[in-house]
Amino acid sequence: KAGVTQTPRYLIKTRGQQVTLSCSPISGHRSVSWYQQTPGQGLQFLFEYFSETQRNKGNFPGRFSGRQFSNSRSEMNVSTLELGDSALYLCASSRERDDYGYTFGSGTRLTVV
Amino acid sequence: KQEVTQIPAALSVPEGENLVLNCSFTDSAIYNLQWFRQDPGKGLTSLLLIQSSQREQTSGRLNASLDKSSGRSTLYIAASQPGDSATYLCAVFSGSARQLTFGSGTQLTVLP
Repeated sequence: KAGVTQTPRYLIKTRGQQVTLSCSPISGHRSVSWYQQTPGQGLQFLFEYFSETQRNKGNFPGRFSGRQFSNSRSEMNVSTLELGDSALYLCASSRERDDYGYTFGSGTRLTVV
Repeated sequence: KQEVTQIPAALSVPEGENLVLNCSFTDSAIYNLQWFRQDPGKGLTSLLLIQSSQREQTSGRLNASLDKSSGRSTLYIAASQPGDSATYLCAVFSGSARQLTFGSGTQLTVLP
């Protein structure tokens, strides 16, 4: 059974550019969440999607956005990149019911220079 | 706002020792609690999931307990091995907030 797949694994971007990260959830999982992990702030919630609808959003600026497709795959986009956006971005998927817990992908390491 | 604290921040033990990692949370209205393991530069691996109605879960050498009323969970690792070296993260899921709130983790080193 395939796990949560995130692409690409590594990215290097320049300040001011934009970036799109992709996440394919476990087959049958309809909820996809995104988290940012930095040494200073730890793991912080970005947003959660279910059936192509954003159900919840964390406390991040509007430069961070996302979407979910009909096959449950999700993308997140960061526009006008800043140095502080350098982080490990993790995607997690879960089944429709919340009591099954979350499965995380390996993450995308974004470096902004 | 839910806050999760993990103690200690770092722990170094000799191989074979039994150890306990602690996690506390401020809002007891949680749906479930999940323990994860993270190796350097990697994603999170789920170790144990405890529902709010449960008191403990076991998987191999790992045992996690949950006391929702006091806002505490512990992860017990028996007979530690060097391969257990990693950062262990505790996360609570609050149904109303629809998100996981993580602690800052315990960095475990098991010395051979």
